[in-house]
Amino acid sequence: AQSVTQPDIHITVSEGASLELRCNYSYGATPYLFWYVQSPGQGLQLLLKYFSGDTLVQGIKGFEAEFKRSQSSFNLRKPSVHWSDAAEYFCAVGAEYGNKLVFGAGTILRVKS
Amino acid sequence: GAGVSQSPSNKVTEKGKDVELRCDPISGHTALYWYRQRLGQGLEFLIYFQGNSAPDKSGLPSDRFSAERTGESVSTLTIQRTQQEDSAVYLCASSFRPMVTTDTQYFGPGTRLTVL
Repeated sequence: AQSVTQPDIHITVSEGASLELRCNYSYGATPYLFWYVQSPGQGLQLLLKYFSGDTLVQGIKGFEAEFKRSQSSFNLRKPSVHWSDAAEYFCAVGAEYGNKLVFGAGTILRVKS
Repeated sequence: GAGVSQSPSNKVTEKGKDVELRCDPISGHTALYWYRQRLGQGLEFLIYFQGNSAPDKSGLPSDRFSAERTGESVSTLTIQRTQQEDSAVYLCASSFRPMVTTDTQYFGPGTRLTVL
């Protein structure tokens, strides 16, 4: 069975600082990995996804994530955080030919000025 | 429409009452998903539709939960005899096809259900 762990419930960073949100997954086959962001009052929006190939994937809003098979991780990064990045971030895993996503519990990002 | 819409945005009900939650998917999307998000937890898959059939309803927590979909349009999630543990945000998503590896799921803003 697939599972996703996001170890940090809350993270606070200063505006302009770099950001890394952690995600660890458990899945026996090739994982298909996703990061979504949920802003207050908004639906979840896809930031980026990894299926195969280059282990560093670029997404929207200046985010990137790196897939590390040896560590079963798919951490999300951003070099310089903006106040508008304050939101909740979800990592998810899906199976090849699968129909549904398995989500982590989410990480709430706070940005201080 | 431009995106996935859900109604109501908030619902407060008394224990034991029935509730209906509605989802309008993006036009042309054949796949529709329901997820539940309890406080402090990740999204929990409930059911998905391909057209108006539900090939996977494995996430429905009990027989008090049911869902239906009219064609490739609106879906309704019904919770009968609500319990306090049903309090959560219910999220709907749609995609062109039910293939997570190729078709992005687009989410609605959710319905926050509070059972008193």
